[in-house]
Amino acid sequence: GQQLNQSPQSMFIQEGEDVSMNCTSSSIFNTWLWYKQDPGEGPVLLIALYKAGELTSNGRLTAQFGITRKDSFLNISASIPSDVGIYFCAGPETYSGAGSYQLTFGKGTKLSVIP
Amino acid sequence: DAGVTQSPTHLIKTRGQQVTLRCSPKSGHDTVSWYQQALGQGPQFIFQYYEEEERQRGNFPDRFSGHQFPNYSSELNVNALLLGDSALYLCASSLRASGLAKNIQYFGAGTRLSVL
Repeated sequence: GQQLNQSPQSMFIQEGEDVSMNCTSSSIFNTWLWYKQDPGEGPVLLIALYKAGELTSNGRLTAQFGITRKDSFLNISASIPSDVGIYFCAGPETYSGAGSYQLTFGKGTKLSVIP
Repeated sequence: DAGVTQSPTHLIKTRGQQVTLRCSPKSGHDTVSWYQQALGQGPQFIFQYYEEEERQRGNFPDRFSGHQFPNYSSELNVNALLLGDSALYLCASSLRASGLAKNIQYFGAGTRLSVL
């Protein structure tokens, strides 16, 4: 199956700093999704990207769909303590049948914010 | 509007036992997918149900089985539990639709299964 590689695996930043993380794939994706997972919770969708080169924002979060369709980037500006959590990229595995696609996830980037 | 709900929240079982986990999809959704998330890993796809049939399956043994009911809710069953089955089991729901919108899956909070 397809594999997604996320980097960095973890990061410690000072409150107010900007954050950048990325995700690369061995194959082409037609959709990129970014989720955040808090301890004891399920992943929550942050941003969905549908076109190569697309740049989409959600508040202080901005994500980009790479031109090669094999990568995506997530940036968080002016980080705050509630940004702490694990950020996952995900992409659909192709499937020609009925229903929606299965998702392949990266291993996540764990973000810690120092007040 | 209720989101995806899963029960129970936590479960402790011993090796060899069987377990059933339950999921109610988000209102209006008709497709349910199950994922296993080991500690420190991303979720791994187990299988997906639509119209009460298993439509896709990931790389999981037959000990993992499921069911979808007419009201779109779903169950995940795991037989002959192994220590390695200890994980967070996540249910995600989505709406079958044309185009890229069908790629959006919404997750529940999960069931934490511990196998002793």
